[in-house]
Amino acid sequence: QKEVEQNSGPLSVPEGAIASLNCTYSDRGSQSFFWYRQYSGKSPELIMFIYSNGDKEDGRFTAQLNKASQYVSLLIRDSQPSDSATYLCAVNMGAGNMLTFGGGTRLMVKP
Amino acid sequence: DTAVSQTPKYLVTQMGNDKSIKCEQNLGHDTMYWYKQDSKKFLKIMFSYNNKELIINETVPNRFSPKSPDKAHLNLHINSLELGDSAVYFCASSQVAGGADTQYFGPGTRLTVL
Repeated sequence: QKEVEQNSGPLSVPEGAIASLNCTYSDRGSQSFFWYRQYSGKSPELIMFIYSNGDKEDGRFTAQLNKASQYVSLLIRDSQPSDSATYLCAVNMGAGNMLTFGGGTRLMVKP
Repeated sequence: DTAVSQTPKYLVTQMGNDKSIKCEQNLGHDTMYWYKQDSKKFLKIMFSYNNKELIINETVPNRFSPKSPDKAHLNLHINSLELGDSAVYFCASSQVAGGADTQYFGPGTRLTVL
């Protein structure tokens, strides 16, 4: 069964620190990897995607991909209380561009 | 000018009823999806629909049927509702951009089956 695994958390970090969120996936043939943020009661919001090994930076966010280890991570620099949310890792694993989501990691940034 | 919209936002109904949820996107995307997010917040793909090609997640009961009158709309019809169908249902649409097929979600429909 194709799976995406995340630590459910909560991950608690102080304001201004770096938050590191991790994700592993089972399908070695996966090509595209996405990070979504979901506030309580809201819909998932795309943060960024990555499809090449290495790092990809977008503002305070950096996605890291290691296909050999089947591992993708999201770093949030200078964490703010407004970053407190559940972060969902999603991997394109199936036909029709369907995404398989991890269970999400709840991040809490404390002032 | 919401990109992906869904109606209704909340739906409360009795077991055994039939209900529909509507989704519209004004992004000009080619592909639309339905997802289910259960009480444990696990988000699972139900359907993918592109140019009249329907791809179904094999775990979805056949009581669920997507209907697409045109490229901008993908509705979800549910027959004989069960308690376990209670969840938040999200519609999404996507287009390939920057090398990846990025999906954008609607606001969700919270379905409660009594």
